[in-house]
Amino acid sequence: DGGITQSPKYLFRKEGQNVTLSCEQNLNHDAMYWYRQDPGQGLRLIYYSQIVNDFQKGDIAEGYSVSREKKESFPLTVTSAQKNPTAFYLCASRGVVGQETQYFGPGTRLLVL
Amino acid sequence: LAKTTQPISMDSYEGQEVNITCSHNNIATNDYITWYQQFPSQGPRFIIQGYKTKVTNEVASLFIPADRKSSTLSLPRVSLSDTAVYYCLVGLSKGGYNKLIFGAGTRLAVHP
Repeated sequence: DGGITQSPKYLFRKEGQNVTLSCEQNLNHDAMYWYRQDPGQGLRLIYYSQIVNDFQKGDIAEGYSVSREKKESFPLTVTSAQKNPTAFYLCASRGVVGQETQYFGPGTRLLVL
Repeated sequence: LAKTTQPISMDSYEGQEVNITCSHNNIATNDYITWYQQFPSQGPRFIIQGYKTKVTNEVASLFIPADRKSSTLSLPRVSLSDTAVYYCLVGLSKGGYNKLIFGAGTRLAVHP
């Protein structure tokens, strides 16, 4: 059945370690997004991609990196440069013109050991 | 991108109608108004979207006055399971790229 999947549900990062969060969608959507949510706050945009092999920085891209080699996949790497990575990370996708709504995955909670 | 303002929290009781109003004074001509619902530790879920007047679906209604500077999400006969955070967003435009700007949302608590 169609949708957006994120894995893992929980992820633990050690100091100085890079970790990668997975986001996959089978909705045939062109655009994909990564957001970060801190407790009691709204979502903030990290990176977005409108098409394969193209992506743009959002409002809080420092310490993060992405790739978009396939339409279905938009992995997010949290690098050691991100000093405060503990948060809830949400991936979303949006279809082509005429499909304005963004659909969200279930999220990955990242914790620092 | 238009900024939105909505109440931080609201309380209601089961079976009541809940209206959450959102202010978006700088909404652009092409912008749509969209509402999302989010439960703890889950991704936001699309509720309803509209451009003007009234839109209704199986879960909610959206009222938009002629000047489009505000909108009201109406949840009929809420239940305990409607306890969640509700986000109002503007900036989605047909035919153009969009990015969503989420405020802190409105925390709705439904009591027995």
